[in-house]
Amino acid sequence: DTAVSQTPKYLVTQMGNDKSIKCEQNLGHDTMYWYKQDSKKFLKIMFSYNNKELIINETVPNRFSPKSPDKAHLNLHINSLELGDSAVYFCASSQESASGGLHNEQFFGPGTRLTVL
Amino acid sequence: AQKVTQAQTEISVVEKEDVTLDCVYETRDTTYYLFWYKQPPSGELVFLIRRNSFDEQNEISGRYSWNFQKSTSSFNFTITASQVVDSAVYFCALSEASLVTSYDKVIFGPGTSLSVIP
Repeated sequence: DTAVSQTPKYLVTQMGNDKSIKCEQNLGHDTMYWYKQDSKKFLKIMFSYNNKELIINETVPNRFSPKSPDKAHLNLHINSLELGDSAVYFCASSQESASGGLHNEQFFGPGTRLTVL
Repeated sequence: AQKVTQAQTEISVVEKEDVTLDCVYETRDTTYYLFWYKQPPSGELVFLIRRNSFDEQNEISGRYSWNFQKSTSSFNFTITASQVVDSAVYFCALSEASLVTSYDKVIFGPGTSLSVIP
């Protein structure tokens, strides 16, 4: 069974289009994340949701909008795609610690390679 | 600001050699967590270890070992008798409480690409 799954695995689209990436975790975790990994492999957090509430929102253009319909799902919608959005996007999840911190290990999905032409 | 530095961008070793991947971090907090993740060529990210700032004991897991030294703000990772399957990008990461919210934020280092040559 896949712990954290993302669809699609590959996404090729034209500039200006709107696209969505879906993420689901079956680990029972209450926190989910979106990361962007650029061509140099640099990994940067974009958003984090805890129990469906947005808790981390990094300096990301507002063309990116995460949505968490429930604890097990965190989708990423991107409007007006630009060339610079080309990257691999990773979804991850973790369990909140007993003290309320988010410092437990994160489980990552397989990634979605987005190519904007 | 927190920062994670992995000064070695790329390392190549011959199989069976030992290799150490360096990680140096900066943080304002006394309570924080350090991680290592592995990203093999297939692309997925795999958790390897987590350490909290109060536990400076070194850890060994098979051929992998980690040396945490608060005095030098380093959390280095050594692979003994490297194998081709160890070829991957290795990320060191730091988690500390966000300035804005009470939640932790994980900052990843730039990664070290390890190639093990048969």
